[in-house]
Amino acid sequence: DIVMTQSPDSLAVSLGERATINCKSSQSVLYSSENRNYLGWYQKKPGQPPKLLLYWASTREAGVPDRFSGSGSGTDFTLTISSLQAEDVAVYYCQQYYGTPLTFGGGTKVEIK
Amino acid sequence: EVQLVESGGGLVQPGRSLRLSCAASGFTFDDYAMHWVRQVPGKGLEWVAGINWNGVSIGYADSVKGRFTISRDDARNSLYLQMNRLRPEDTALYYCAKDIFRGRGAPTAWFGMDVWGLGTTVIVSS
Repeated sequence: DIVMTQSPDSLAVSLGERATINCKSSQSVLYSSENRNYLGWYQKKPGQPPKLLLYWASTREAGVPDRFSGSGSGTDFTLTISSLQAEDVAVYYCQQYYGTPLTFGGGTKVEIK
Repeated sequence: EVQLVESGGGLVQPGRSLRLSCAASGFTFDDYAMHWVRQVPGKGLEWVAGINWNGVSIGYADSVKGRFTISRDDARNSLYLQMNRLRPEDTALYYCAKDIFRGRGAPTAWFGMDVWGLGTTVIVSS
């Protein structure tokens, strides 16, 4: 199984500042024939289902604000919130869909400082 | 509007069975892989099972393999999860989720999940 490791477990950021979340996979999730990373990012707020933010590691889902961006390739990925808003308080998960079983990272809790 | 509505959760004793259902609407159900994902209270997300668009490819988490069975009824636009030999550690909120991309012709059985239901709660306790 591909193990997804996120860091940090939690972070507190001031409103308007940048938040950076890291995700590392135990093996590459780059599908070389397509040159695509089989990785997604999700936002989870209490009492709500997860929300897809990004797929292919860096493609924003429709309606997702452009302050959310993704980068990285192979085994190392980053989710960046460029200017944190109050509504961004949530737990963020990375997920690989390169191999079965699909696996999620442990989550990173983002709070306001 | 694309919508997924789960049902079938409840309180069940260890060792017993439960069947979850997910009613889909607003999209061409038989074009997409579908998934079950669960979240134990206070813990992270865990993919439980997936079934591709035509039901040929099925996958499970190691923690449920041999006990849970995912299936789909395209005529009813419905997804199911038959859960047997339930354990206390299966207690969780179970989400039904739709795959991002149409499966026909895709290079792999499934991708990520772009639409989620609100979930149904399963509690396994004596």
